[in-house]
Amino acid sequence: GAGVSQTPSNKVTEKGKYVELRCDPISGHTALYWYRQSLGQGPEFLIYFQGTGAADDSGLPNDRFFAVRPEGSVSTLKIQRTERGDSAVYLCASSLGQTPYNEQFFGPGTRLTVL
Amino acid sequence: GENVEQHPSTLSVQEGDSAVIKCTYSDSASNYFPWYKQELGKRPQLIIDIRSNVGEKKDQRIAVTLNKTAKHFSLHITETQPEDSAVYFCAASVTGGGADGLTFGKGTHLIIQP
Repeated sequence: GAGVSQTPSNKVTEKGKYVELRCDPISGHTALYWYRQSLGQGPEFLIYFQGTGAADDSGLPNDRFFAVRPEGSVSTLKIQRTERGDSAVYLCASSLGQTPYNEQFFGPGTRLTVL
Repeated sequence: GENVEQHPSTLSVQEGDSAVIKCTYSDSASNYFPWYKQELGKRPQLIIDIRSNVGEKKDQRIAVTLNKTAKHFSLHITETQPEDSAVYFCAASVTGGGADGLTFGKGTHLIIQP
């Protein structure tokens, strides 16, 4: 079956602009995660959804970052007033959720460049 | 919160030799420890994971060991092959893919010399 998909694959924007990044999880996966990966670093946790609700948003760096998952499937990560430091690869992952120790499957990522 | 340290940052081994990557974690509540392989420009992919109730797990050429008392875990790759060249990340979480996000190490760039 299809894996986790993310769009766009690349996004170039100017400082101060607003961007939206989309994630399509594997069908049937109730848990969805957003991570940010800077060059030469490991993925950094941002937010976790169980169904439609954000169960843990402790990794969001500040209030410019927001994510939604209105129907419990597709999720959108929204970044307001982008800054050059927001440049990174944004990874989405999904898992079966509800029970522990399930593998998180990652998408290919969206490379965000803020000029 | 959880903090995961990973060493070494770069590891170069001769093809056919073994490679060992080590990680330590800080949160004694962590119970799930996956390892991901990431090739250049690709997504991270799970290669093996271990739960806290197990001390060792093997899958062909790959093994992971866990010492909960010392809060460290290691990845062992035997008979390394060119296709093992990649960046490897260790991670930890309290419940794994069921209820919380993963905390990753900074990665180890494994280079297999022919």
